[in-house]
Amino acid sequence: SQTIHQWPATLVQPVGSPLSLECTVEGTSNPNLYWYRQAAGRGLQLLFYSVGIGQISSEVPQNLSASRPQDRQFILSSKKLLLSDSGFYLCAWSWESEQYFGPGTRLTVT
Amino acid sequence: AQKVTQAQTEISVVEKEDVTLDCVYETRDTTYYLFWYKQPPSGELVFLIRRNSFDEQNEISGRYSWNFQKSTSSFNFTITASQVVDSAVYFCALTRGGSARQLTFGSGTQLTVLP
Repeated sequence: SQTIHQWPATLVQPVGSPLSLECTVEGTSNPNLYWYRQAAGRGLQLLFYSVGIGQISSEVPQNLSASRPQDRQFILSSKKLLLSDSGFYLCAWSWESEQYFGPGTRLTVT
Repeated sequence: AQKVTQAQTEISVVEKEDVTLDCVYETRDTTYYLFWYKQPPSGELVFLIRRNSFDEQNEISGRYSWNFQKSTSSFNFTITASQVVDSAVYFCALTRGGSARQLTFGSGTQLTVLP
């Protein structure tokens, strides 16, 4: 069966510090991978998606970036965090149509 | 452009009551998928159901049922005999066309089931 992992689970970072969130998927190959952010108030915003290694599409301009160095690894990064980057970050994978989500990382920028 | 509207921001019911969560969508695609996800307080999104645009047959799974009506662009979700464990935020979502299958989410409905 497929499993999706995210770490860390929670993170508190100061403004201006770098960020690296990691997502890995087990039990499948060549999945589509996604990063979402959920700010306070519940809305889910698609940040990046990837249909293959090294292929990243950005949905919204921001100070975040994503990379997919391996087939089942998806990384969300920032060189300098802003207060507005606080939120709940969710990674997801899909093969057919359903997307399955990881447990999420709660990021607080102070 | 695609859009999913969940007009009910919050709903409170008493245990054992039935509750319907509304979802209205907009898309120009002729082929698309609709979804419902549940987000309990832990935060993880749990997949509940997928429905493709060619299948308007309603579906029932235990206490859950879904009513898809293409004519009104609606995909409503009913919980029968609600339980406290049903308390969560529920999201309706719609895929875009193409192989990447990006999801457009509604803003969610917070359901609180009181004992």
